[in-house]
Amino acid sequence: DAKTTQPPSMDCAEGRAANLPCNHSTISGNEYVYWYRQIHSQGPQYIIHGLKNNETNEMASLIITEDRKSSTLILPHATLRDTAVYYCIVRVANDYKLSFGAGTTVTVRA
Amino acid sequence: GAVVSQHPSRVICKSGTSVKIECRSLDFQATTMFWYRQFPKQSLMLMATSNEGSKATYEQGVEKDKFLINHASLTLSTLTVTSAHPEDSSFYICSARVHRDFGNTIYFGEGSWLTVV
Repeated sequence: DAKTTQPPSMDCAEGRAANLPCNHSTISGNEYVYWYRQIHSQGPQYIIHGLKNNETNEMASLIITEDRKSSTLILPHATLRDTAVYYCIVRVANDYKLSFGAGTTVTVRA
Repeated sequence: GAVVSQHPSRVICKSGTSVKIECRSLDFQATTMFWYRQFPKQSLMLMATSNEGSKATYEQGVEKDKFLINHASLTLSTLTVTSAHPEDSSFYICSARVHRDFGNTIYFGEGSWLTVV
């Protein structure tokens, strides 16, 4: 039961901003939007999460539309080390079983 | 930040033997941990929820007698693959929740590669 839709892949240039879209049109009012990434042969890495306000941390920014039906993860200055599979997940705060879709394979090119 | 550590990172075992993978929360207590499995070029699949002091709960289709989970302390959960077969070769990943921020963030271990020969 996919709750999110992401493009299967995208390329971006090193040093440029990478904007990763995610659609979650059936999101409930108490569900958060989480982003994780998985670099090859490693466990998923937490990036950022939000409920309805835009969020920013040292890794990325998360922009959530006013209707909450979609969001965009922004990597402000992509580096080669940002090449990974990026997962957008929606979940309620007390639901700790994360359901992973196929994610977006992001390739940062020099 | 929160750290979840797995050991071993890679293990090779013979078919028919059992292998144990450990998942530790290093700077926080985790009453609940989760075990996932990931085959090459596929996404993560939740196997089971590990509960400290009680039995694990398994997802549909996961054999509880083959994948033994023990969560004997607030910082350690173990997954034992019993009578391993080559089809059990996979990337096994654990995760744990942290209570200290809004939304209760989940953090993952580095993963453990199991190869059964």
